[in-house]
Amino acid sequence: AQSVTQLDSHVSVSEGTPVLLRCNYSSSYSPSLFWYVQHPNKGLQLLLKYTSAATLVKGINGFEAEFKKSETSFHLTKPSAHMSDAAEYFCVVSESTGGFKTIFGAGTRLFVKA
Amino acid sequence: DTAVSQTPKYLVTQMGNDKSIKCEQNLGHDTMYWYKQDSKKFLKIMFSYNNKELIINETVPNRFSPKSPDKAHLNLHINSLELGDSAVYFCASSQVTSGGEQFFGPGTRLTVL
Repeated sequence: AQSVTQLDSHVSVSEGTPVLLRCNYSSSYSPSLFWYVQHPNKGLQLLLKYTSAATLVKGINGFEAEFKKSETSFHLTKPSAHMSDAAEYFCVVSESTGGFKTIFGAGTRLFVKA
Repeated sequence: DTAVSQTPKYLVTQMGNDKSIKCEQNLGHDTMYWYKQDSKKFLKIMFSYNNKELIINETVPNRFSPKSPDKAHLNLHINSLELGDSAVYFCASSQVTSGGEQFFGPGTRLTVL
């Protein structure tokens, strides 16, 4: 069975400081892992994905995530936060075969202070 | 060009009514989904269709009936609407061979009064 846990319901950072959004997963299969971002009153946009290639994945807008199998983690980071990064972030796990069944984490709300 | 589109964007209706939400994707994907996002932003998959066939049907009341007339469309019909159906509904699509990456529509905010 798959599950995903986002360890923080909300994270607050100052503009220009690093961002860390934490995600742990469990999966019976070799998982595909994703981070999506949702800005207020908008749909979801893919930030980055891991599908069993390089363990350090670079995404859009300067975000990256590292797949650590031994820790079953896929934390999202960014060296320097921007005001426009304020949004809801979702960690997602998907079966590698077919990708039909996806499980979303509960989300982490990122606040960025000026 | 919009990749995944949904209509309407907002839907306000009375309890007991029947309503439909339409979804279309122009990405040539073979799989489409419906998700429900509640007021706490939690996203839960409701249905998944692959090549017009139902693949996933989570524990959704049978008042909800998805219909896929072709691979590019997945509509959601809801009978006898209840207050608890108020939420944002997202349609998404993906291609099986792409490793599960999904493309989302802008959402339909359903409010049941």
